[in-house]
Amino acid sequence: QVQLVQSGAEVKKPGASVKVSCKASGYTFTNYAMHWVRQAPGQRLEWMGWINAGNGNTKYSQNFQGRVTITRDTSASTAYMELSSLRSEDTAVYYCASAVSMFEQLVIGYWGQGTLVTVSS
Amino acid sequence: EIVLTQSPGTLSLSPGERATLSCRASQSVSSSYLAWYQHKPGQAPRLLIYGASSRATGIPDRFSGSGSGTDFTLTISRLEPEDFAVYYCQQYGSSPLTFGGGTKVEIK
Repeated sequence: QVQLVQSGAEVKKPGASVKVSCKASGYTFTNYAMHWVRQAPGQRLEWMGWINAGNGNTKYSQNFQGRVTITRDTSASTAYMELSSLRSEDTAVYYCASAVSMFEQLVIGYWGQGTLVTVSS
Repeated sequence: EIVLTQSPGTLSLSPGERATLSCRASQSVSSSYLAWYQHKPGQAPRLLIYGASSRATGIPDRFSGSGSGTDFTLTISRLEPEDFAVYYCQQYGSSPLTFGGGTKVEIK
């Protein structure tokens, strides 16, 4: 079965960067897109971007103004999301989530357990 | 970007009752690329419906989706105790992908 296991909670100071990892198992990693979604306290889910795990192509939400970078390591079946220039509003639970199938790469089917990132001075 | 507005914000119902959740888009969602998720506290969201009306693998048939264009509906025919949760709609027809604000289905 598809499993996505994320790295642990992080506490960062404003202006710093954070890198969250997501290790996939139970499927062929390079076949499915990996998305990143976050949820700030009391807010709706917010899509950040996705990576084609096969060729490494990425697409990001313009709402992050170039602060987000998604990468992957195919040998480790792991995707990464790095967010820079952190501010307090970036305090949120960050989820990695894979596509539901090879034919529906934009449908988010499987989710990691979430990683809490707290930005505080 | 496409803004999704869900209504009502909260739905108070009893087990066995029918739940009807609405999702309205600020512009037409291309090819009915609309999904619904169930989210419980402390858990990851769970995909219920995609393509507006296709049930995801393992989802009971009491969950159904309908709609097109700008108006979409998730119906839970008879609420089970495990169905009380927050439900989000999401469009994936144009970038950025966007989510609605959620409807909380609570026990009356």
